[in-house]
Amino acid sequence: EAQVTQNPRYLITVTGKKLTVTCSQNMNHEYMSWYRQDPGLGLRQIYYSMNVEVTDKGDVPEGYKVSRKEKRNFPLILESPSPNQTSLYFCASRALTGSYGAKNIQYFGAGTRLSVL
Amino acid sequence: QQQVKQSPQSLIVQKGGISIINCAYENTAFDYFPWYQQFPGKGPALLIAIRPDVSEKKEGRFTISFNKSAKQFSLHIMDSQPGDSATYFCAASTRSNFNKFYFGSGTKLNVKP
Repeated sequence: EAQVTQNPRYLITVTGKKLTVTCSQNMNHEYMSWYRQDPGLGLRQIYYSMNVEVTDKGDVPEGYKVSRKEKRNFPLILESPSPNQTSLYFCASRALTGSYGAKNIQYFGAGTRLSVL
Repeated sequence: QQQVKQSPQSLIVQKGGISIINCAYENTAFDYFPWYQQFPGKGPALLIAIRPDVSEKKEGRFTISFNKSAKQFSLHIMDSQPGDSATYFCAASTRSNFNKFYFGSGTKLNVKP
């Protein structure tokens, strides 16, 4: 079954304590991306990656880091979380090759709800 | 500044009615407009998408209407069902850079039985 898997699903932490949210996909997709979802703001892109070792900033990258050492994994790192990073986070992946339609389909994980106290 | 503006924020429709959600954009470089459906506790899932070379696209009960001159597009859900109750997001991207997607703020639809 095609899947994007995020862990953990729920996380409560304190300000300044480094954390990592993992994301893994089993579709051999080149492209992966992280979004945060906040009420009234929709989804905003944090970082994306075109392939292994290739990453770039989205619209709201401040306070986040990512790495892409393997094609299937794209972890999101918060080195020093702050309360304004309390949000619902989604990882997504899609193919870069294939037909026009297939390239446009982003598959999302189930989300990670993060609370920073 | 939100690149894609979506309205209404919430919508209540009776079963069998038509649900209409509207989105507007300013960036004329956008040329791909998907709609996503999100159920509670789940990630968004692609519902239907349109390119600006057509004015309408229909898939089952879901229709996108696109007005290029007004820079607006809308989702119509015909014969709305309680199972359609979800949050809907419009989005926009450019074919020259599918790496960046801009989402609307979302519409929470509640279809009453």
